[in-house]
Amino acid sequence: EAGVAQSPRYKIIEKRQSVAFWCNPISGHATLYWYQQILGQGPKLLIQFQNNGVVDDSQLPKDRFSAERLKGVDSTLKIQPAKLEDSAVYLCASSLSQGADSPLHFGNGTRLTVT
Amino acid sequence: GENVEQHPSTLSVQEGDSAVIKCTYSDSASNYFPWYKQELGKRPQLIIDIRSNVGEKKDQRIAVTLNKTAKHFSLHITETQPEDSAVYFCAASKGPDYKLSFGAGTTVTVRA
Repeated sequence: EAGVAQSPRYKIIEKRQSVAFWCNPISGHATLYWYQQILGQGPKLLIQFQNNGVVDDSQLPKDRFSAERLKGVDSTLKIQPAKLEDSAVYLCASSLSQGADSPLHFGNGTRLTVT
Repeated sequence: GENVEQHPSTLSVQEGDSAVIKCTYSDSASNYFPWYKQELGKRPQLIIDIRSNVGEKKDQRIAVTLNKTAKHFSLHITETQPEDSAVYFCAASKGPDYKLSFGAGTTVTVRA
């Protein structure tokens, strides 16, 4: 099966600029996640979707981050305006459902550098 | 929310020796504990997981143990090989949404 696709692979922007990341989950996976992985740390959940609805966005900095999954398939994550501390790898993951029997499958991530 | 602590942050072992990584969690309701391996520049991949109704699980050279009373779980890699070199992350979660809380990671280096 095809894996989770993410683009772009790398992005360099200046602070206060905006950026968007795209994710296409594995076909049939209802649950989609965006994680932020700062260098030297474990992934931190930003937002979780179940189909096209938000399950959890409690750790999403909503003043600058937004995400959508309008048709319940692919998703975009946007940052506007970016700050230096947003430099990280943004990982998208998907699973068949929310249960423990549905392991997460991660994409390769987008490495964002904010200068 | 759940807090997962992982030790050590780095681990260097001689090829053929064993490696052990330990994690503690704070939420006693957590009942699902996966381990992910992330090679340099690649995506995290699930290598093994354990549920709270099981004390130990093995898959070839890797095993995971869980102590619910003490709220800690460990990853054991035996007969380490150079391809085991990677960053390993533990995580904990609970129902209904099984949102994963990750540890900070352990960089394992296997010396030839």
